[in-house]
This record gives sequence, C-alpha cells and structure tokens, in this order.
Amino acid sequence: DTGVSQDPRHKITKRGQNVTFRCDPISEHNRLYWYRQTLGQGPEFLTYFQNEAQLEKSRLLSDRFSAERPKGSFSTLEIQRTEQGDSAMYLCASSFSGQDGYTFGSGTRLTVV
Amino acid sequence: GNSVTQMEGPVTLSEEAFLTINCTYTATGYPSLFWYVQYPGEGLQLLLKATKADDKGSNKGFEATYRKETTSFHLEKGSVQVSDSAVYFCALSRGDYKLSFGAGTTVTVRA
Repeated sequence: DTGVSQDPRHKITKRGQNVTFRCDPISEHNRLYWYRQTLGQGPEFLTYFQNEAQLEKSRLLSDRFSAERPKGSFSTLEIQRTEQGDSAMYLCASSFSGQDGYTFGSGTRLTVV
Repeated sequence: GNSVTQMEGPVTLSEEAFLTINCTYTATGYPSLFWYVQYPGEGLQLLLKATKADDKGSNKGFEATYRKETTSFHLEKGSVQVSDSAVYFCALSRGDYKLSFGAGTTVTVRA
C-alpha cells in the first residue's frame, strides 16, 4: 500500500493551455474524490467517483473541467483553457464506501501565468 | 447547508504549552466530525474523528469531543512539540462521502 499518488506535484502553465493531472488511489478503495484548495482556505469538494461512475459534481466544476476514472482505478482531471483563477492545489483522495474519512494524496499545485 | 467555522490563526506557542483550536459546525442531523492535519509540503492526514454525540476522538496526544448541544468539536493537546507545527482543519460529513472543511488554523510551536 503506497497511499494515494498524484502526478505531477507541480505544474506551471500559460493561460489558455490545457492541463491534465493524474491520481492513483489506494488499490482496494472504490471511491475517489477530487478537491481544490486555494491559499488560506480549506479544501473544496469538486467531484467523486464510485468505481468508474462519476456520482456528483460540484458547481465549482465549470464546463472547462472534466474528470474521468475509466476503469475504476486511476483518475484524471483535465482543465481546458486554463485561467489564472484556476491556480490552486488539486487534491485527490480515496476511501471505501461507508468509511468515515479518507486518505489524501500530496496534491498537484497548479500555477497559471 | 453544511459549514464549519474554525478559530482563526495563526497560533504561535512554546513547546509544552496547551493547545486549543475551536471548531463549530452547522449541519442538519448528525454529521461525522473530523480533524485533519497538513504538515508543510504534505497532503492532509486524518488526525481523529467522532461519529456521534459525546464521542471522543483521540490520536497522538490530541483529543476532541463531539458536543451536539454546542455544535462544537474543539481540538486540544496538553503539551505540544515542535513537530506539531502544521495546519489543522476541522471538517464534517453528512453521509459517508463529501467533506466540508473549515479554513484551517496554522499552528507554529517554538522550541
């Protein structure tokens, strides 16, 4: 069990470019979550998957954001046409159904310049 | 909706001092309550949790008691160490998935 892995750890991109982040959850966990954390704030829920099904999306997840979990294992979060306001830490977490609390990855820090 | 309000920081303490971080919540029904800790350069780690009223969560010398009458879940530690320097987040969940976090409290412990 290597925990939740996120890649890359840091990403700097120019405004208007597309970026994709990857998350590898703990292998036995069937739920996977994406959160966004801006400086000085707590994480905010973006979306979650149970196996390969995306069950809920926050209003924070604009049309430029898309998340997938094609085989119920790893997940990707893509942001199209990035804006400066997208600069944040993107956190992935995983858990078992019905488990209280989850395991977070170290996050991907996105900077849009 | 569900929300969490935590004591604003930053908090600076000397080693072996007593730490309290206040957390209050707003939620319908009976949420589960959590404290997460984020050490510099790392992801969030679950510190402790409580799932029903009057439960006490504890871990690494930290404690918090679920108080439904005051809708609170204050975090305490009797004697802090330099290694406790981190950002602490209070959170709640209704159901078993989505977490709502407070803004976080930065704690710095000086030797």
